[in-house]
Amino acid sequence: DVKVTQSSRYLVKRTGEKVFLECVQDMDHENMFWYRQDPGLGLRLIYFSYDVKMKEKGDIPEGYSVSREKKERFSLILESASTNQTSMYLCASSRRGMRREAFFGQGTRLTVV
Amino acid sequence: TQLLEQSPQFLSIQEGENLTVYCNSSSVFSSLQWYRQEPGEGPVLLVTVVTGGEVKKLKRLTFQFGDARKDSSLHITAAQPGDTGLYLCAGVKNSNYQLIWGAGTKLIIKP
Repeated sequence: DVKVTQSSRYLVKRTGEKVFLECVQDMDHENMFWYRQDPGLGLRLIYFSYDVKMKEKGDIPEGYSVSREKKERFSLILESASTNQTSMYLCASSRRGMRREAFFGQGTRLTVV
Repeated sequence: TQLLEQSPQFLSIQEGENLTVYCNSSSVFSSLQWYRQEPGEGPVLLVTVVTGGEVKKLKRLTFQFGDARKDSSLHITAAQPGDTGLYLCAGVKNSNYQLIWGAGTKLIIKP
């Protein structure tokens, strides 16, 4: 069974903390993505990576960075967490090509207090 | 800029009724995908449509891709409480790696 696994389902962090969200996929997919999902705003792309060590900014990269040292792992880093980063974070992976179907992790509900 | 407009945003109906969700754009897509997301979980792919005019059926769900590959619809026949969820459409453009997402339709089926 194919899988995208996010390291935590729920996280509570304090303002100013550095936060790491980890994502691992076992499908040998080239593309990996980090989204945040907020009510009424849909899925918003933070960063994506189309190859190891490659990264591209999405629509809302401010306050975030990413790391992809291995093909199967894509990490999202909140350099200094703020309350407006409280959200549901979703990691996804896909193959290259025309279909590019996304497989998602279970999500991490992050609360910054 | 929202390139994919989904409608309605919210729909609450009784079990057994039929419904249609729409996903519209002024852009052409090489393919279009539909996902369902349950509360607290990530979206799960339901179907991909690729050819203009294509119709795909998944039990009581019927997906259609417009002839011009700019729009798509999802029709559910005899809705059941298990169909409750957030339905998302996503378009693929050849020009980049990303998916273009609609904002979603929140569907509630009441027993």
